[in-house]
Amino acid sequence: DAKTTQPNSMESNEEEPVHLPCNHSTISGTDYIHWYRQLPSQGPEYVIHGLTSNVNNRMASLAIAEDRKSSTLILHRATLRDAAVYYCILSDPTSGTYKYIFGTGTRLKVLA
Amino acid sequence: GAGVSQSPRYKVAKRGQDVALRCDPISGHVSLFWYQQALGQGPEFLTYFQNEAQLDKSGLPSDRFFAERPEGSVSTLKIQRTQQEDSAVYLCASSTGEETQYFGPGTRLLVL
Repeated sequence: DAKTTQPNSMESNEEEPVHLPCNHSTISGTDYIHWYRQLPSQGPEYVIHGLTSNVNNRMASLAIAEDRKSSTLILHRATLRDAAVYYCILSDPTSGTYKYIFGTGTRLKVLA
Repeated sequence: GAGVSQSPRYKVAKRGQDVALRCDPISGHVSLFWYQQALGQGPEFLTYFQNEAQLDKSGLPSDRFFAERPEGSVSTLKIQRTQQEDSAVYLCASSTGEETQYFGPGTRLLVL
C-alpha cells in the first residue's frame, strides 16, 4: 500500500493562504491523491482529489508535482473554521481494493 | 441531501459485553467501508462491502469483530466480548463505487 508523509502540525494566520505539503514517493501510475479533513468529533470530510493535473474547487486547490511524488493542498484564505487535521491519502481504483490508508495527518492551527 | 448516518453516536459497554453499531449509507451507494480510529490516530480500515458482498475484511483485528450488510444497504458492525482495547471511534463511509468516500460522524465506543 502506498504511503504518504505529512508534517505533524502547521500554523497559519487567519485570512492568509495555507500550503499543506504531502510526500508520496512510492506513488504508482494509477494512484489517485485525495485530501480529507477532520474537525473535532466529526468524521473525515472530503476536500479534493486529483490524478495528474492541478485541481480547483470551492474549498481548496490541489497542486501535484510533475513527477507526482508530492502534492500540496492550498487553502487560499484560512478561516478559524479551517482548523482541523488534514489527511493526504492515496488509493488505486484499479486494484479492486478501494480502502483508504490514512497517516497521522497534519493538524492545522489557525490564529486569529 | 442526507449523508451517512451512524447510531448510536456514543456507546458505553462493560468489558465482555457484545455491541452492535449501525451504519446507514447514502442512498444508492454501492460501496460501504468501516474504519476504526484510536485517539490521536488516523482512521484504520476494517472492512469493505460492495452491495451485500464483503470483499475485503483484512482489517478486522480479531474474530470478535463481524460485519454484515445483508440487503446491500444498512450495515452493522458487531463486536463480541468487548475488550478495553476496542475503545475507539468507529467510522462508516460509503461511495458510489468510484473514488470519493463520504464519512459518517462515527460511533464513539468506550469499554470499561
